[in-house]
Order: sequence, then C-alpha cells, then structure tokens
Amino acid sequence: DADVTQTPRNRITKTGKRIMLECSQTKGHDRMYWYRQDPGLGLRLIYYSFDVKDINKGEISDGYSVSRQAQAKFSLSLESAIPNQTALYFCATSDSGTGGVLEGYTFGSGTRLTVV
Amino acid sequence: TQLLKQSPQFLSIQEGENLTVYCNSSSVFSSLQWYRQEPGEGPVLLVTVVTGGEVKKLKRLTFQFGDARKDSSLHITAAQPGDTGLYLCAGFPGSARQLTFGSGTQLTVLP
Repeated sequence: DADVTQTPRNRITKTGKRIMLECSQTKGHDRMYWYRQDPGLGLRLIYYSFDVKDINKGEISDGYSVSRQAQAKFSLSLESAIPNQTALYFCATSDSGTGGVLEGYTFGSGTRLTVV
Repeated sequence: TQLLKQSPQFLSIQEGENLTVYCNSSSVFSSLQWYRQEPGEGPVLLVTVVTGGEVKKLKRLTFQFGDARKDSSLHITAAQPGDTGLYLCAGFPGSARQLTFGSGTQLTVLP
C-alpha cells in the first residue's frame, strides 16, 4: 500500500455541489498538508495541520475547508464547488521532528477534480 | 506572487544533451529542495541543499545552492528519456514552517 493514499483519484462534479477529498497516511507523521496544482503555477498550499488539534490556513484557503479526523486522516472539502476549482489536488505529510526540512514531504498520487 | 521563480518553464531536448534548470528568489531560504513529478503521480524528493554554495550530485544530476541562499540550479548531464518530467524547486522562506513551491520546469527528453 502507498504511504499516502488519496481518494478518489478522479472526480467530475457540478457547480454548486459539495465534495470531499480524502487522504490517509501510514507514515506515522503528525504534519499533513493539502496543495492544489495548476499548470504553470506549481503547487499552492490550501491548508495544513501540525497535529489533530492544529489546523491552519494556507495561501489559497478561500472556498475550502478541512477536517483532521485522526493523526492519519486529513480531508479537504469544497462546500460549493465552482469551475475555477478544477485542478489537481495533492495531500502530503512530513515528520514533525524536522518539519520536512531535510527529508522533504511525502505526497499522495493526487485527485484530479473537474467542476463543470 | 510566486516567491520561487523557475526557468525555463518548458524545455525539450534530444537524448544525450546537457541542460540546466534555474530556481530564483529575492528571499533567503534556510534550505531548498528539488522534486521530480511524473504524470499521474505526486512529486518525489530528489535532493535537499542546506548550505550556501553547496553542490550535491545524484548520478547525472548536479544540484547547487547559491552562496546567498536565494537561488539554486539543477544540471543534468547526458539527458535520457527517463529524465522526462516536471521538476519543482521548493523551500522554507525565512521562518516559515511550510514548504513553498516554484512554478516548475517541464522537461521532455526525446529519444
């Protein structure tokens, strides 16, 4: 099994619908992140969580919410999806000891979301 | 505003050629990381550079961290089709606790 698993891998939804993207990890890491990837823009941080009770907004949090259900699970919700939220979404984890400074982040395989 | 600017955005070369990809910023970074991403997958860490002026080699890939810790470069010698992918630089600006990514360089190596 992958260290970081994202579900679903692909999703098409309609404007205005609520949708949840899920992420689970077996790395035992405390820190988890949600990024969005658009062509030519790299990855931009949506939300991050350093433990179950610590959730923080990232660079582009408007229109998104998150839930950290357990150390291993971190979900991203779009309350009312809009077409410009069409993108690749990645979940990542890092160890709290070094914060990922040396060993980097471990990423899932991504969810391709299309809002029509 | 992109804190880390990568150039070129796209690069298409023939197998066997050499290439250099750049990652620049006006901010100082405590460290910089390079990732490679293949279609349908998430980014995978290649290397971390932490000391200004540091040079690290990974087979045919050479990574350099600028003396002022504001820029980095990735040089690939004798590129192969297996090097094709999106190359991303990333770092922790200042005292930030979360990773900031550059816009990426899409490399295509033609056989």
